[in-house]
Amino acid sequence: GESVGLHLPTLSVQEGDNSIINCAYSNSASDYFIWYKQESGKGPQFIIDIRSNMDKRQGQRVTVLLNKTVKHLSLQIAATQPGDSAVYFCAETYSSGSARQLTFGSGTQLTVLP
Amino acid sequence: DAGVIQSPRHEVTEMGQEVTLRCKPISGHDYLFWYRQTMMRGLELLIYFNNNVPIDDSGMPEDRFSAKMPNASFSTLKIQPSEPRDSAVYFCASSLSGTKNIQYFGAGTRLSVL
Repeated sequence: GESVGLHLPTLSVQEGDNSIINCAYSNSASDYFIWYKQESGKGPQFIIDIRSNMDKRQGQRVTVLLNKTVKHLSLQIAATQPGDSAVYFCAETYSSGSARQLTFGSGTQLTVLP
Repeated sequence: DAGVIQSPRHEVTEMGQEVTLRCKPISGHDYLFWYRQTMMRGLELLIYFNNNVPIDDSGMPEDRFSAKMPNASFSTLKIQPSEPRDSAVYFCASSLSGTKNIQYFGAGTRLSVL
């Protein structure tokens, strides 16, 4: 079946460096993607989203890149801080369908080193 | 806005007992989702509702699981009888229909079945 998956299950970066978290998706019908951050003991929290008619979207310290040709999504975090330590999930859906489900990837654990 | 509210935060019960998890979605949201999260299987969608009506319950593991949404501001997920393999974190999320499908999650209920 089609699914969303992550290349790297864990990522460690030095405080102040940039982080890049990757995600591969296989459903070519997906046209909307979301990144979530989940801190320990909390629910997933929305970070940023992107539609398939865009290839880049920027937020505060975060940038999402979408490469539809290779079905790849990435989340870039600038100047990573200790508070960025969390599990990051990408999720996909197709906005034109009647279904409203999000398909979540397996997650990447980001650890920020002092 | 208080966000999605789940109760209890933690539940410890013995095998065979009935467990009821509760969720209050964000006011005005018309979609409500129940997820289960485990280390082995990640984040799994169990069931979702639209305007209090169950739309897709294909993720519900078995007949021991049931979910209701008697009104727009309250939903329950019940497990009867509970089994140790039901131990997981259960999340409720809500969203608002429209051009986007951002789901907002509660803090979750950590269930331990002994």
